[in-house]
Amino acid sequence: DAMVIQNPRYQVTQFGKPVTLSCSQTLNHNVMYWYQQKSSQAPKLLFHYYDKDFNNEADTPDNFQSRRPNTSFCFLDIRSPGLGDAAMYLCATSRRGGGDNEQFFGPGTRLTVL
Amino acid sequence: GENVEQHPSTLSVQEGDSAVIKCTYSDSASNYFPWYKQELGKRPQLIIDIRSNVGEKKDQRIAVTLNKTAKHFSLHITETQPEDSAVYFCAATIPSGNTPLVFGKGTRLSVIA
Repeated sequence: DAMVIQNPRYQVTQFGKPVTLSCSQTLNHNVMYWYQQKSSQAPKLLFHYYDKDFNNEADTPDNFQSRRPNTSFCFLDIRSPGLGDAAMYLCATSRRGGGDNEQFFGPGTRLTVL
Repeated sequence: GENVEQHPSTLSVQEGDSAVIKCTYSDSASNYFPWYKQELGKRPQLIIDIRSNVGEKKDQRIAVTLNKTAKHFSLHITETQPEDSAVYFCAATIPSGNTPLVFGKGTRLSVIA
């Protein structure tokens, strides 16, 4: 009964080689979020979608892009991964917009950049 | 924008003792304060939250208190157990529009049996 699914769980890429991480949800939630979490740090919001409305955080590098083709799926594209992009990437959903809705996190994708 | 400070960064307690984690926030308009627990290698999960119209909320062994005047809120865990060992994140937000959660940097709690 997984609610927020992320694939792959572990991704290894080479410096500069594009990579796509995927997230799907069975909750039919309107909002989907992508966070970057480095070791011993808080999750850092990269961007989120409210339905099809894309909201980018001001400090998210241009190297990071996202797509949400439908309600269930959301993708994180890293166009040219650098060593500093190695991290855990967490997808989350919430039923409505506004931060006061519980966020349901996926298990994360751990990205390694060689 | 909102800024959330969380202390301590690490906390060790003996099993059965209480643990307290404190957070402060900067934006007086914030009125929703959740706490997330992240066990090693697992996803963050909401454990308790509080809104500004109440000063305290309790759920079994965990409780959260809020002081809006001082702009701080705290997580209290009583009768700690080894399974409480995890990283705990506080967060704050203004629940309107697309305002996202702002997380604290986390507290690594270790409960020693």
